Amino acid sequence: DTEVTQTPKHLVMGMTNKKSLKCEQHMGHRAMYWYKQKAKKPPELMFVYSYEKLSINESVPSRFSPECPNSSLLNLHLHALQPEDSALYLCASSSPIPGGELFFGEGSRLTVL
Amino acid sequence: AQSVTQPDIHITVSEGASLELRCNYSYGATPYLFWYVQSPGQGLQLLLKYFSGDTLVQGIKGFEAEFKRSQSSFNLRKPSVHWSDAAEYFCAVGAKAAGNKLTFGGGTRVLVKP
Repeated sequence: DTEVTQTPKHLVMGMTNKKSLKCEQHMGHRAMYWYKQKAKKPPELMFVYSYEKLSINESVPSRFSPECPNSSLLNLHLHALQPEDSALYLCASSSPIPGGELFFGEGSRLTVL
Repeated sequence: AQSVTQPDIHITVSEGASLELRCNYSYGATPYLFWYVQSPGQGLQLLLKYFSGDTLVQGIKGFEAEFKRSQSSFNLRKPSVHWSDAAEYFCAVGAKAAGNKLTFGGGTRVLVKP
């Protein structure tokens, strides 16, 4: 059982839609992450939140908008996506100390038509 | 900046045989090193990690890894693989200066023959 829960598990959206991916953890972690993973590729870091503040943004296009409403929740708002944005989106959490182990959710598989 | 190389894209091993997955990293200071496993359509699960101290680390599912500073390597081993070990394996490096930003290697897909 994963301790990081992501919803939805699958999402299909058109290029004009607005949707959100959600992530929740109850391990008391104060760092949360969004990664994007294309097929047969490693995860690529998108955003890091530390103590609910955005600390790393890996030059992600503005059509992806992260939000951290509280220490347990992390959202990724999606708008005007492109077909090449289709991927597995992974959420992770960790202690914010350097070297803290990342705990990953099972991911949300996004398909953009 | 840190980087990770996993030289083997695919490895096929017979069930019961030993397995070794290679990982080479690049980082100026002592890195934090991790091995994660990913089954198809799943998230990543941590197998083991190295921060400091004993260079041979034990992980879950019978895996171990050895940190060799002189070779900038952190190879993963298992003495006897099971069919359930078929998966994608990722080596990752983190650095204190980079907070908790992990950089992943390209991954090695392990196929297990009966």
